Amino acid sequence: SQKIEQNSEALNIQEGKTATLTCNYTNYSPAYLQWYRQDPGRGPVFLLLIRENEKEKRKERLKVTFDTTLKQSLFHITASQPADSATYLCARMNYGGATNKLIFGTGTLLAVQP
Amino acid sequence: KAGVTQTPRYLIKTRGQQVTLSCSPISGHRSVSWYQQTPGQGLQFLFEYFSETQRNKGNFPGRFSGRQFSNSRSEMNVSTLELGDSALYLCASSSWRDRSSYEQYFGPGTRLTVT
Repeated sequence: SQKIEQNSEALNIQEGKTATLTCNYTNYSPAYLQWYRQDPGRGPVFLLLIRENEKEKRKERLKVTFDTTLKQSLFHITASQPADSATYLCARMNYGGATNKLIFGTGTLLAVQP
Repeated sequence: KAGVTQTPRYLIKTRGQQVTLSCSPISGHRSVSWYQQTPGQGLQFLFEYFSETQRNKGNFPGRFSGRQFSNSRSEMNVSTLELGDSALYLCASSSWRDRSSYEQYFGPGTRLTVT
């Protein structure tokens, strides 16, 4: 079965440091990996998408890398702020016809301490 | 542009009852997906509708069903509720205009509690 795992359930870092979250997948490579942010009581919010033929994607203080050899994606938040505290979810989407099915990891709860 | 809306936001039902949840996607979005989120299992895919047709279905029993209307609004129904159905039910819409429009926009969810 297709699995996606996020190594840490929780991550605590100091304000200003870089937060690095890990997402690992098994079996065949997903065509796309997506990262979402979820705040308590709210639905996930899309942040970034990276394709299997891309090594890196950036958006403001966010950076995502995709290593198909290691079957891993890393999500970085530079110059982290307390407002970045949330649960971050990675999700895989495969080729396989017209479908929007996403398989989500369990999420990493990030806490940025002031 | 208005976001994805879900009604109701909170619901309390008893075992054996049935429930219908509603989702209005972003205007112009034709794909609507439903997910169940629980602390133990995380976010799990229920099903996806596109132009009133179910395109994909997750590993959930037949008690979970859905439909999509011509205006892209969608409903999901859970019959014969069980305690384990207590969860946050999330709806997500996507434009699916081309192969680059894969991001999904989630609603705030419906918190269902089964007692």
